[in-house]
Amino acid sequence: KQEVTQIPAALSVPEGENLVLNCSFTDSAIYNLQWFRQDPGKGLTSLLLIQSSQREQTSGRLNASLDKSSGRSTLYIAASQPGDSATYLCAAVNTDKLIFGTGTRLQVFP
Amino acid sequence: GAGVSQTPSNKVTEKGKYVELRCDPISGHTALYWYRQSLGQGPEFLIYFQGTGAADDSGLPNDRFFAVRPEGSVSTLKIQRTERGDSAVYLCASSYPGAALTRGPGELFFGEGSRLTVL
Repeated sequence: KQEVTQIPAALSVPEGENLVLNCSFTDSAIYNLQWFRQDPGKGLTSLLLIQSSQREQTSGRLNASLDKSSGRSTLYIAASQPGDSATYLCAAVNTDKLIFGTGTRLQVFP
Repeated sequence: GAGVSQTPSNKVTEKGKYVELRCDPISGHTALYWYRQSLGQGPEFLIYFQGTGAADDSGLPNDRFFAVRPEGSVSTLKIQRTERGDSAVYLCASSYPGAALTRGPGELFFGEGSRLTVL
């Protein structure tokens, strides 16, 4: 059974810092791994999707890496801004469904 | 609107009542998912439709929960004899065609959820 863990659970940083959010999964036989952002009281917004054959994906200030053999993915946020404050969720995809971690709650203060 | 639409956005009910939650996916998306999210937790898988049929309902917690998608578009999640433990945000997501099951789903687009409170 796939289990997904995210560390840290919460993070508070000043504006401008570069951040690393960690995601680990127990079953390396995944098809892809996805990162989402969730604002309070809102649904999830897809940020990046990394196929199992890929090592990383980039979108603007976001870069996600995937190491299947070690069961890890990392989301790197460059030059953080207050607007980045949200909960970040990773989801490992086995067969037909996404298995989510519990998220990292990020606060970026001015 | 072009996104996934969920109604109601907020539902308060009494223990023992019947509840229906509706999801209207993005037009043309054949795959539809229901997830449940409790406070401080990640979304938990409930059921997945490919077209009209439930391809995987292994996440439904018990037989009080049921979901349908009769025409392959709108889906309804039905909860009978609600309990206080059913209180959560119920999220719906859809994905575009061409995402073969053997390669896993493509990018999922989520609605804003239906917040259910059982008193």
